[in-house]
Amino acid sequence: DAGITQSPRYKITETGRQVTLMCHQTWSHSYMFWYRQDLGHGLRLIYYSAAADITDKGEVPDGYVVSRSKTENFPLTLESATRSQTSVYFCASGDPPRGGYTFGSGTRLTVV
Amino acid sequence: SQQGEEDPQALSIQEGENATMNCSYKTSINNLQWYRQNSGRGLVHLILIRSNEREKHSGRLRVTLDTSKKSSSLLITASRAADTASYFCATVKTGGGADGLTFGKGTHLIIQP
Repeated sequence: DAGITQSPRYKITETGRQVTLMCHQTWSHSYMFWYRQDLGHGLRLIYYSAAADITDKGEVPDGYVVSRSKTENFPLTLESATRSQTSVYFCASGDPPRGGYTFGSGTRLTVV
Repeated sequence: SQQGEEDPQALSIQEGENATMNCSYKTSINNLQWYRQNSGRGLVHLILIRSNEREKHSGRLRVTLDTSKKSSSLLITASRAADTASYFCATVKTGGGADGLTFGKGTHLIIQP
């Protein structure tokens, strides 16, 4: 996973709290993505970004906010965490359609 | 919604045997990719095959693509215990994939030593 770093690795938060998951890439990839992985649903796209200051909704964006002020960073914020947002979150970067994507190691988030 | 569907959902074989996983998808694609995920880890890109390609090799991996049937297969030859992982196919839609990969639910492969 060299080149794309997610933090924290694990997070437990309470319902209603705001929490931010960080993602940093050193590949200089144009595109960055946030996915969540849940049993029975596989990986689903939350948000993506084609470049700094350009973001778009994916399949499951409700309850999440993203920003991309710098090309290398793409934080994901849960404004008011709910139990249904308990999941493993993966950040990825790439330059579609030229090649594959690089994924971070994931953040396991538990909302209690 | 999921674009790809892997088959089987789980596969257990003996070390040294070949493992074949299949993937079906629904829409026109630019390319199809296979990823591996070890337990508790992120996804690792294995191989990409473009819509105008029919077969691709990388080491012990062989991928085929049949766009008329909207299906792909991943063959791992001479399996090793270290190949134990979940394998996902993912598609990039025609148009370049600016909106990301669409994943199937994966095949969990267990290699028995």
